[in-house]
Formats: sequence, structure tokens, C-alpha cells
Amino acid sequence: GENVEQHPSTLSVQEGDSAVIKCTYSDSASNYFPWYKQELGKRPQLIIDIRSNVGEKKDQRIAVTLNKTAKHFSLHITETQPEDSAVYFCAASIFNKFYFGSGTKLNVKP
Amino acid sequence: GAVVSQHPSWVICKSGTSVKIECRSLDFQATTMFWYRQFPKQSLMLMATSNEGSKATYEQGVEKDKFLINHASLTLSTLTVTSAHPEDSSFYICSARDRGSPYEQYFGPGTRLTVT
Repeated sequence: GENVEQHPSTLSVQEGDSAVIKCTYSDSASNYFPWYKQELGKRPQLIIDIRSNVGEKKDQRIAVTLNKTAKHFSLHITETQPEDSAVYFCAASIFNKFYFGSGTKLNVKP
Repeated sequence: GAVVSQHPSWVICKSGTSVKIECRSLDFQATTMFWYRQFPKQSLMLMATSNEGSKATYEQGVEKDKFLINHASLTLSTLTVTSAHPEDSSFYICSARDRGSPYEQYFGPGTRLTVT
């Protein structure tokens, strides 16, 4: 299956700063890249996604960029708030299956 | 819309017994459902893909005889952990794909399995 790598594993930022999480994938056939936020013991919540025919997508404070040539995509959160603190997962979808990155624990300090 | 439920939310069983977890799409028809397991502080690992009316396809390294998956209808898939052992203790999450949505998956709330 697809191999997705995610960095960093932990990220600590000051409230109001930006946070960037990066992922790479291995299979060029992957065509959909969602990002999820997961709080402890809860289900993953989709926060933004991007399809392979798009290079960038933005939704308020959250944006995702995709570089198909380099096979990497990134999540950008601006003006971080304490409630953004959670674990974030990227995923790559190939043949409708999702393969997840290892997760990034984001801590936003007030 | 697009709500997926799981039952039970948590279960404790003894070694050697079997436990069944249900995954239901409540307001849409799910032609495909997926089962993941997640260890503490780790990622979601895809276990198998379940298509309504056909056999599930398992990811490499997942024992199909141990994790029995049945997708009997467009709204229900079940995962049965057979002859459970303590190392099977994990958080099991299902997701479902709406036949009208080519990309997104909707996740259930997860089932915490503890095998003693």
C-alpha cells in the first residue's frame, strides 16, 4: 500500500503563531489528500482536503498545499488558538483507501 | 448528514473469547466501509476494506481468520475479533464512503477493546 510520512511528530507554538505540518507520500496514483484533527479517544474530524488536480486550498485559518511532482503536501494553520491543540493526521487516498501519516501533536500555548 | 455509528463504544473481554463490533451508516448508503485500528498515541492503520455483498479485502499482515468482516447491507458492517488476546487490545474505528461521494470517508466514534 501507500506509504505516508509526516513531520514533525510534535509541534509547540505560541498562540497567534503559524503552524506547518508536512507529509510525503510514495505512490503517484494517490489522488486525494485529507487532513484530520483527532482529540483523545474521539473520531478523526476532517478539517480540510485537497484533490490531486488542485495545488492549494484555503478555508479561513487553514490551508493545504500539494506538490504532485515532489509528492508532498502540507497543512498550514495561521493565527493559532489554544483550541487548535490536538493531534493532526494527514492521509493519502489511493483506490479509495486511506493511508495515514503518523500524526503530529500540536500544542498551542496561550 | 453523513453520520456513522459504532457499537459498542467500549468492551472488555477475556482471552480466547470473540467480540463483535458493529459499524452503521445512519443516513446514507455505504457501498464501502473500512476498518482501522489505532494503538495509543499512534496512527490509524487500515486493516481491511469491506464492500457490500462481497468478501472483504485485507491489508498485508492482517489475519483474515482472526478479524472477520461482514458487510451484509448498505448500512451495516461488522468486525469480529476471534479468539482475542491481550495484544488485540486497541481502538477500532470504522469509516464509510457514501456512494454519492467519490472521495470523503465518514468515521465512526471508535470502539475501545480491552482483552484481559
